Amino acid sequence: NAGVTQTPKFQVLKTGQSMTLQCAQDMNHEYMSWYRQDPGMGLRLIHYSVGAGITDQGEVPNGYNVSRSTTEDFPLRLLSAAPSQTSVYFCASSPPTGGLVNYGYTFGSGTRLTVV
Amino acid sequence: GDSVTQMEGPVTLSEEAFLTINCTYTATGYPSLFWYVQYPGEGLQLLLKATKADDKGSNKGFEATYRKETTSFHLEKGSVQVSDSAVYFCALSDGGNNAGNMLTFGGGTRLMVKP
Repeated sequence: NAGVTQTPKFQVLKTGQSMTLQCAQDMNHEYMSWYRQDPGMGLRLIHYSVGAGITDQGEVPNGYNVSRSTTEDFPLRLLSAAPSQTSVYFCASSPPTGGLVNYGYTFGSGTRLTVV
Repeated sequence: GDSVTQMEGPVTLSEEAFLTINCTYTATGYPSLFWYVQYPGEGLQLLLKATKADDKGSNKGFEATYRKETTSFHLEKGSVQVSDSAVYFCALSDGGNNAGNMLTFGGGTRLMVKP
């Protein structure tokens, strides 16, 4: 199993450019999410999805779009990159809760994005 | 809203020392609690979890007990190794109105273990 795969691992963008961060999982997980990690701030939720065709906003959604056309893929789009979006981005997936059991999330290895 | 507070680092210990990283939380429902570990240059890995009060999660010599009365989930290890050097994140997932079991993270604690 590959788990959660993110591409690219590193990216440098100019202000105003757009790009898509790819995320794919092969565990048939229904739940997927995107977080950004900034120094001293832990991880903050950008967008999430509870299944194909269903997405919702997290804590810091501005400047980002997502879609979920398949169970496996959950791309994150930066519409017009800004220096404030310089961060490390993590995609994560999880099976749904089974009764009282919360399985937690499996994380990808991250994309380090720099906007200049 | 939900929040997680963990001790600021870095925490610097000598090999074989005892480790405690404090974590307290605020939640409206009955959360599940997690510790994640991030090794340099890598993503987050689930270290351990507890889904109800008084549960003890354990893995790789680390353990944490879900204390509802003190809203805490402190991480402990009896004897740390250099290979434990990493950033540790406490997190919760509040199942009340939390579609997707989204995680709320603490700010992370960097642990450095010296030989």
